[in-house]
Amino acid sequence: KQEVTQIPAALSVPEGENLVLNCSFTDSAIYNLQWFRQDPGKGLTSLLLIQSSQREQTSGRLNASLDKSSGRSTLYIAASQPGDSATYLCAVTGGSYIPTFGRGTSLIVHP
Amino acid sequence: KAGVTQTPRYLIKTRGQQVTLSCSPISGHRSVSWYQQTPGQGLQFLFEYFSETQRNKGNFPGRFSGRQFSNSRSEMNVSTLELGDSALYLCASSPRDNQETQYFGPGTRLLVL
Repeated sequence: KQEVTQIPAALSVPEGENLVLNCSFTDSAIYNLQWFRQDPGKGLTSLLLIQSSQREQTSGRLNASLDKSSGRSTLYIAASQPGDSATYLCAVTGGSYIPTFGRGTSLIVHP
Repeated sequence: KAGVTQTPRYLIKTRGQQVTLSCSPISGHRSVSWYQQTPGQGLQFLFEYFSETQRNKGNFPGRFSGRQFSNSRSEMNVSTLELGDSALYLCASSPRDNQETQYFGPGTRLLVL
C-alpha cells in the first residue's frame, strides 16, 4: 500500500526566503506525482505535475523534482511571498490509478 | 471556461439520513473524481467516473456511491449517514483520467449531527 509523507508538517518563514518542501513515498512504481496548494476551507489548485519519466517541472517561482528510485520529491519555492501562505499537498498515483495524498505542509510567509 | 462547480456548498444532516452531492466538471472534461477530506484521515480518494462508468474505487464502504451522467456531471450519494462522514467532499475533473492535471471544485462541507 502506497504511503506518502510530507515534511515538515508546518513552516513559518519571513518573506523573501527560498523554501524546500519534501514529499516521500514508499512504492516507487508510480505514474506521476502532483503538487497542489490548498487555501483554508477551499479546494485544491494544481501547481505542478511530474510524469514518472520526468525529473522536474518548473512554473514561475516553483520547481518540483522527482527521484523515483529514492521515493522522493521536493517542491522549491523561490523568493517566498505572503500570498504563498497555504497548505501544500503532494499526491502520488501508481498502478492502481488511485491517487494517494500526503497530509500536507502548512506554510506561513510573514511580511 | 467555467471551473468545476459543486452544489450545495454546505449541508447539515442528522445520523441515519442520506445525502446527494453534485459536481459539474469543466466543459469537455470527461473524468470526474471524488475525494473526502477530514482532519483525521486527510484527503482520501473515493471513486473516479469516466463516460458514465466507475473506473476506480477507493477503500470506502458501500454506503458511498456515485454516478455520472451523459453530460459528465456527477453525483455522489452517502446513505445512512454517520458522524464520521462529516467532511469536506471535493470533486475534481480532468479531460481523460486522473493521471492528468486535476481541477478541483470548492467542495461541499457536510456536517452530520
